[in-house]
Amino acid sequence: AQSVAQPEDQVNVAEGNPLTVKCTYSVSGNPYLFWYVQYPNRGLQFLLKYITGDNLVKGSYGFEAEFNKSQTSFHLKKPSALVSDSALYFCAVRDMYSGNTPLVFGKGTRLSVIA
Amino acid sequence: GAVVSQHPSWVICKSGTSVKIECRSLDFQATTMFWYRQFPKQSLMLMATSNEGSKATYEQGVEKDKFLINHASLTLSTLTVTSAHPEDSSFYICSAREYRGNTGELFFGEGSRLTVL
Repeated sequence: AQSVAQPEDQVNVAEGNPLTVKCTYSVSGNPYLFWYVQYPNRGLQFLLKYITGDNLVKGSYGFEAEFNKSQTSFHLKKPSALVSDSALYFCAVRDMYSGNTPLVFGKGTRLSVIA
Repeated sequence: GAVVSQHPSWVICKSGTSVKIECRSLDFQATTMFWYRQFPKQSLMLMATSNEGSKATYEQGVEKDKFLINHASLTLSTLTVTSAHPEDSSFYICSAREYRGNTGELFFGEGSRLTVL
């Protein structure tokens, strides 16, 4: 079974400071990992994904995430937070060999960037 | 990235009526689309997998007779909430995968907020 854990319901950070949103996962095989962002009353926007290759993945809006196989983690990071980054962030996973299946999402982490 | 269009964005209906939500992949063909439901301050709950030309696969606990899903073409899936009741009020989001090998991320519609009075 596949699962994703986002241990923090809420993350607060001052504008200009680095931010981290945590994610750990569980799959039986090799993972495909994704981050999405959701603004109020909107659908989800794709930020980045890890499939294979470099553990550090760069995505949209200056976000990046680091795949750590030993810790089964895929934390989302940004060097300098903006107020406009305030939103709901979802981590998602699927097993590499699971076929054309939907993603399994974490419960989401609300990021608030304070000016 | 690929674009998924969802309509309507907002709908208010009376209890007992039916509501149809459309999900279209605008610049790619989607043999599979996924319908999610999101409650306030909660994550996405997968409702069903919609396969073009065949019956949808529903998740456990989702009433297939209440949430009718039709995937008539490679670019359109519809979700019909039949005989809607206030407890069906929610945010419904569709998604589709642009098939690239076996890795493709999901692209999401903008969601449809249903309010049943």
